[in-house]
This record gives sequence, C-alpha cells and structure tokens, in this order.
Amino acid sequence: GENVEQHPSTLSVQEGDSAVIKCTYSDSASNYFPWYKQELGKGPQLIIDIRSNVGEKKDQRIAVTLNKTAKHFSLHITETQPEDSAVYFCAASISNNNDMRFGAGTRLTVKP
Amino acid sequence: SQTIHQWPATLVQPVGSPLSLECTVEGTSNPNLYWYRQAAGRGLQLLFYSVGIGQISSEVPQNLSASRPQDRQFILSSKKLLLSDSGFYLCAWSTLSAVALHFGNGTRLTVT
Repeated sequence: GENVEQHPSTLSVQEGDSAVIKCTYSDSASNYFPWYKQELGKGPQLIIDIRSNVGEKKDQRIAVTLNKTAKHFSLHITETQPEDSAVYFCAASISNNNDMRFGAGTRLTVKP
Repeated sequence: SQTIHQWPATLVQPVGSPLSLECTVEGTSNPNLYWYRQAAGRGLQLLFYSVGIGQISSEVPQNLSASRPQDRQFILSSKKLLLSDSGFYLCAWSTLSAVALHFGNGTRLTVT
C-alpha cells in the first residue's frame, strides 16, 4: 500500500521567513495530494490540495508543488506569521478517500 | 454549508469500561464517513470507513467497532477499553464525488 513520509518533523522559522515541508509517496498511482493544518486541540483543516495533472498550485501565501517523476510534493508558506504555527500533515490518495495515507506531521513554529 | 460535530471533546474512562463516541454531519446527504486515530506525535491512522447506512469497513484489527445507524451518524464503540485505546479520535466526512476529507474537532480519550 501507499507509504507517505514527511520531513522535517519540527520546523522553526522567524516571522516573515518562508517555510518548506516535504513529503514523498511510494505508490505511483496516487493522484490526489492534500495538505492539512491542525491547531492545538482541533481537527485537521484542509488548506490546499493538488492533483496529479497539475505541477503547482498557489493560494495567497501558500503553494504546493508536485513532482510525479520523483514522487514528492512540497508545501511552501511565504511571509510566515505567528498564526501559521501549527502541525501540518501531507497525505496521498489513489482514487478515493478510503485509502488516503498521511504523513507523520510537521510541527511548525513561527517566532515573532 | 456542511458541518461535522463530534462529542464529547474529552473523555477519561477506566480500563474495561465501554466506549461510545458519536459523530454527526449536517448539510450533506449520503456522505462517506471515517474514524481516524491520532497518536501523540504521529500521523492519522484510518480505523473505519462507511459508504452508507450499515456499511462498515475496518482497516485494522482492534478492540473497537463502528456503526452507522443513520445516514449522517457514525458511532465508534468498544465493549471493554484497553490502555492502548488512549488517543485522539477524529471523525471525518467526504462526498462521493469529491476526494477532500473534512474533519471534526476530535475526542481526546484517556484510558486509566
């Protein structure tokens, strides 16, 4: 089955800097790659997603890139703010949610 | 708009006691429903999913069971809790046509 690895496990940046979180997946049939943000005591919230027919997607300060050949995808957050501090999860799915696999998460801390 | 409710938010139960966690979804019909468990510092593990009333699929063998008595209601149960059942339990939903998962705010279960 699918295996998703996520790095780094913790990331600390200064406010205003950029943050990059990387994930790799094992199953070349995976075609949907969401990113979730989880704040303390809450459930994960979908922040951006990308499908395998697209190489990059942007939404304001957040962008995701996908390299299908290398089977890795990344989350980029620019101009980080303290409220970006949270745990971020990547995931990969083949055709439906029943087999969506999650990375272990990255704890991002943005220092003011 | 669609909303998902999970309760209780926190729960402390003794070993050997029963468990019942409830999840309901509003604003959509015939959703796919999921139960995930999140261990501290780890990713999300899929426990059960359901594509319709009375239809439950289990991803991992365990001390837990799930039921879907109504279209938008998903229940996680145990007859006798183990210490290892402690964790953060998340309910999620998706539509049949869209891949994105939407999570509730979770239940933190501590088995003592």
